[in-house]
Amino acid sequence: ELKVEQNPLFLSMQEGKNYTIYCNYSTTSDRLYWYRQDPGKSLESLFVLLSNGAVKQEGRLMASLDTKARLSTLHITAAVHDLSATYFCAALAGTASKLTFGTGTRLQVTL
Amino acid sequence: GAGVSQTPSNKVTEKGKYVELRCDPISGHTALYWYRQSLGQGPEFLIYFQGTGAADDSGLPNDRFFAVRPEGSVSTLKIQRTERGDSAVYLCASSAFYRDTSYEQYFGPGTRLTVT
Repeated sequence: ELKVEQNPLFLSMQEGKNYTIYCNYSTTSDRLYWYRQDPGKSLESLFVLLSNGAVKQEGRLMASLDTKARLSTLHITAAVHDLSATYFCAALAGTASKLTFGTGTRLQVTL
Repeated sequence: GAGVSQTPSNKVTEKGKYVELRCDPISGHTALYWYRQSLGQGPEFLIYFQGTGAADDSGLPNDRFFAVRPEGSVSTLKIQRTERGDSAVYLCASSAFYRDTSYEQYFGPGTRLTVT
């Protein structure tokens, strides 16, 4: 059974600082997804990582995937208040098609 | 184009009642998924449809939960004899599946179900 763990669960950071959220998964998965969720809202897709070594960047966020280590990271560069939200990683096991989500990382960027 | 839509956005019901939650996927998406998200948790898989058939219903918690997709488009999640523990946000997602090998799932706004 595929399990996904994220850490930290909560992250409070100052504007302008850098930080990384980690996502570990338990069994083989070659598709890893990052979503953002604002309070009371649905999930917004951020990144789709399809292969080992994949790296994608959008603005101050960069995601990477290491399938050998079963690890994905979401790096935040020079955080701004607008990035405050909960971030989820999710893995797809083969062609099972159902996503298994981590518990989420609640990011709070303080002024 | 239009995204995934879900109705109602909020549903309050009494314990023991029956509820139906509706999902309208992105046009042309063959795959449709239901997830449930409890407060402070990540979404948990309930059921997945490919076309009209349920390809995987392993996440349905018990036989009070049932879902249909009779014409391969709109889906309805049905919950009988609701219990307070069913209170959660029910999310629907769709994907192009065979046409998109990223298998990216696009989520709707969710239905917040409260059982009193």
